[in-house]
Amino acid sequence: TQLLEQSPQFLSIQEGENLTVYCNSSSVFSSLQWYRQEPGEGPVLLVTVVTGGEVKKLKRLTFQFGDARKDSSLHITAAQPGDTGLYLCAGGDSGYALNFGKGTSLLVTP
Amino acid sequence: DVKVTQSSRYLVKRTGEKVFLECVQDMDHENMFWYRQDPGLGLRLIYFSYDVKMKEKGDIPEGYSVSREKKERFSLILESASTNQTSMYLCASSILRTVTEAFFGQGTRLTVV
Repeated sequence: TQLLEQSPQFLSIQEGENLTVYCNSSSVFSSLQWYRQEPGEGPVLLVTVVTGGEVKKLKRLTFQFGDARKDSSLHITAAQPGDTGLYLCAGGDSGYALNFGKGTSLLVTP
Repeated sequence: DVKVTQSSRYLVKRTGEKVFLECVQDMDHENMFWYRQDPGLGLRLIYFSYDVKMKEKGDIPEGYSVSREKKERFSLILESASTNQTSMYLCASSILRTVTEAFFGQGTRLTVV
């Protein structure tokens, strides 16, 4: 199983601040996904990054895949309370199942 | 709208009981998965299935079994529930292709007393 390390584990910020969360591995992934999970619900896919160096934007969220395809980052600009949740990165190895990081728990207060 | 439905949101069972968690997907997906999620440990794969009657062990299969008699349904079975199996259980499905989007159910919060 390929391990994915996420940092920070917890993040508490005020509305309007910017933040970045990281997902790192010693393994190379063919692609990497970011999910967001709200309390009491299952994770929901935000984005998939495939190409090394790729940058994808989803409104105020910017996702980057490292050149070596071993790491990824998620940057949120001007965070809002609705961004509160658990952010999970996930990657696949040679099989069909995704391996997940432990997640970054984000709290955005008004 | 894609849908993965887990039979219960909350369950409370006694130690030693046989417990069935059911999951149904309506997307005709080949792959189905069972994960458990615990604070500080993240999502850990219990079992997955890439076809009817096929199953593969994940990272933590001990104490669990699965059944996939129909393509749309994947059941997780706790043969003899123990307190250390108290957890959030998440079912997911995806199409038969490596590294593709997984669609999750809403989760079952199981408490074993």
